[in-house]
Amino acid sequence: NAGVTQTPKFQVLKTGQSMTLQCAQDMNHNSMYWYRQDPGMGLRLIYYSASEGTTDKGEVPNGYNVSRLNKREFSLRLESAAPSQTSVYFCASSDLGDTEAFFGQGTRLTVV
Amino acid sequence: AQTVTQSQPEMSVQEAETVTLSCTYDTSENNYYLFWYKQPPSRQMILVIRQEAYKQQNATENRFSVNFQKAAKSFSLKISDSQLGDTAMYFCAFKAYNTDKLIFGTGTRLQVFP
Repeated sequence: NAGVTQTPKFQVLKTGQSMTLQCAQDMNHNSMYWYRQDPGMGLRLIYYSASEGTTDKGEVPNGYNVSRLNKREFSLRLESAAPSQTSVYFCASSDLGDTEAFFGQGTRLTVV
Repeated sequence: AQTVTQSQPEMSVQEAETVTLSCTYDTSENNYYLFWYKQPPSRQMILVIRQEAYKQQNATENRFSVNFQKAAKSFSLKISDSQLGDTAMYFCAFKAYNTDKLIFGTGTRLQVFP
């Protein structure tokens, strides 16, 4: 049982380049999330999807786009990377209610 | 919009002692869920304890317990008999009942000393 799988684990981009972070879960969860983690800032919600076919903005959506491809997959795209997007990115999934959220291993992204 | 505030960036405690981590939140909703997650240096996120807002009884999980004050919008975590393995970042989280939006606070770094 893989849980939540994120790819890649590490990435270095040049300013202006684009890339897509992939996330897949095999727990049949309805809700999926993308966060960024920066020192002193905690985990900030970028986008989330409460069900297949729906997406909503979180706290820091600017500069990002998402796609809920199907129930399993939720991708995060940076169209034109900026140094301010250097961060560790986490994907998570959960079911409705007070159920535990499961997290991927994280992607360390550096934009130079 | 909901917000979660953790006002203690860092805390330390001696092994076997008790420590309390603070968390306050802001919401206009009446139904929601609250969580505490632990993140050790491995970056893995581990659920410590959860609380449903409509339950008045405070949740407990072994050495971990919460003090949930709904009117004050406060959700503190008490760790009893602290162990070296409790050293980690601790995040308080709020989950909206009707949208499933899950947001986190800025975290408290806890160091347990021998």
